[in-house]
Amino acid sequence: DAKTTQPTSMDCAEGRAANLPCNHSTISGNEYVYWYRQIHSQGPQYIIHGLKNNETNEMASLIITEDRKSSTLILPHATLRDTAVYYCIVRPPYSGGGADGLTFGKGTHLIIQP
Amino acid sequence: DAGVIQSPRHEVTEMGQEVTLRCKPISGHDYLFWYRQTMMRGLELLIYFNNNVPIDDSGMPEDRFSAKMPNASFSTLKIQPSEPRDSAVYFCASSPDREGYTFGSGTRLTVV
Repeated sequence: DAKTTQPTSMDCAEGRAANLPCNHSTISGNEYVYWYRQIHSQGPQYIIHGLKNNETNEMASLIITEDRKSSTLILPHATLRDTAVYYCIVRPPYSGGGADGLTFGKGTHLIIQP
Repeated sequence: DAGVIQSPRHEVTEMGQEVTLRCKPISGHDYLFWYRQTMMRGLELLIYFNNNVPIDDSGMPEDRFSAKMPNASFSTLKIQPSEPRDSAVYFCASSPDREGYTFGSGTRLTVV
């Protein structure tokens, strides 16, 4: 069962903000929203994660709606190097049990246009 | 920090041969994960360890696959015997508690 829904692909002009949406309408109260990206021929790279508050780091901002049913990853000034597949993942906090692995969906292929 | 180190980067082997993939996690990370990526199935979690102990191996395709973590700084994923359908990129990742994973560069396995 897919826990997140993302568009298959998106385009964004270089230098503009890239806004990547993710729907997670069945998210539980203790589940975090994680974002990763995978540049061609590389391993996935952690970007950011959050629970309910908006988060910002040196790479991106994460905006989570008040009902937590959707979120948006924002790359403020996209460059050509940001072309990648972006994965939105929801998961509970680490429990030390059998559910700590991240499940990756198909993600959004973001193409930054020069 | 050198990050998660995987070896070899590329492996080409003949069907029926044993293949061993290696991973050195980031020092201090308690969790280690093995993933496989193919065009058809995307990224699949195979197995993960917590403090060197296998926690969930439900993603391991079949008995031909085995993984070990003899100490905190080393893990192996072994396929014996290998088959062409095992061709994929295999990623290792490590993570401290509640933080994001750090993935290695992957091993591209081709079984002919």
